Amino acid sequence: GENVEQHPSTLSVQEGDSAVIKCTYSDSASNYFPWYKQELGKGPQLIIDIRSNVGEKKDQRIAVTLNKTAKHFSLHITETQPEDSAVYFCAASDTGGYQKVTFGIGTKLQVIP
Amino acid sequence: GAGVSQSPSNKVTEKGKDVELRCDPISGHTALYWYRQSLGQGLEFLIYFQGNSAPDKSGLPSDRFSAERTGGSVSTLTIQRTQQEDSAVYLCASSLSMGSGELFFGEGSRLTVL
Repeated sequence: GENVEQHPSTLSVQEGDSAVIKCTYSDSASNYFPWYKQELGKGPQLIIDIRSNVGEKKDQRIAVTLNKTAKHFSLHITETQPEDSAVYFCAASDTGGYQKVTFGIGTKLQVIP
Repeated sequence: GAGVSQSPSNKVTEKGKDVELRCDPISGHTALYWYRQSLGQGLEFLIYFQGNSAPDKSGLPSDRFSAERTGGSVSTLTIQRTQQEDSAVYLCASSLSMGSGELFFGEGSRLTVL
């Protein structure tokens, strides 16, 4: 089955700096790579996703990149703000199958004002 | 309410008791997932439903765990003879259909086994 590894597990950045979270996956059949943000006491919420036919996607201050050859994908947050502090999860799934979504272990991001 | 609803939000039980956790998905969503999140851990897959069928039960930790879904809507996760290691947040998510992508999560049921 799919295995998703995520690092770092914790990340502290100064407000205004950039944050990068990296993930790797094992199953070459995976073709959909979402990123979720989980705030304290809440369920995870999708913030951005990328499909395997695209190498990069951007939405305001967040961007994701995908390297299918290396089975790597990354989340980039620029101009970080205190409200970006949360736990971020990467995930991978095969939407051609029954779409079991496998998550990474999560990264706790702290943005220091 | 347009979101995924889970109940109870908090449950404290004694070791050995049975518990039931309920998930009410977004109306019209055919796919439903249960995940477990232990303190400081990631999202551990438990079970997935497409309609009322569960094609993948491989994540259920033991035979004390079971789940069902009726009418293609509400799902119940049952843990029998609870153990302290069952303490966690149990998250339910739904998606529009198989292969559609985004999962919509509820806020979870926090289970504490004393």
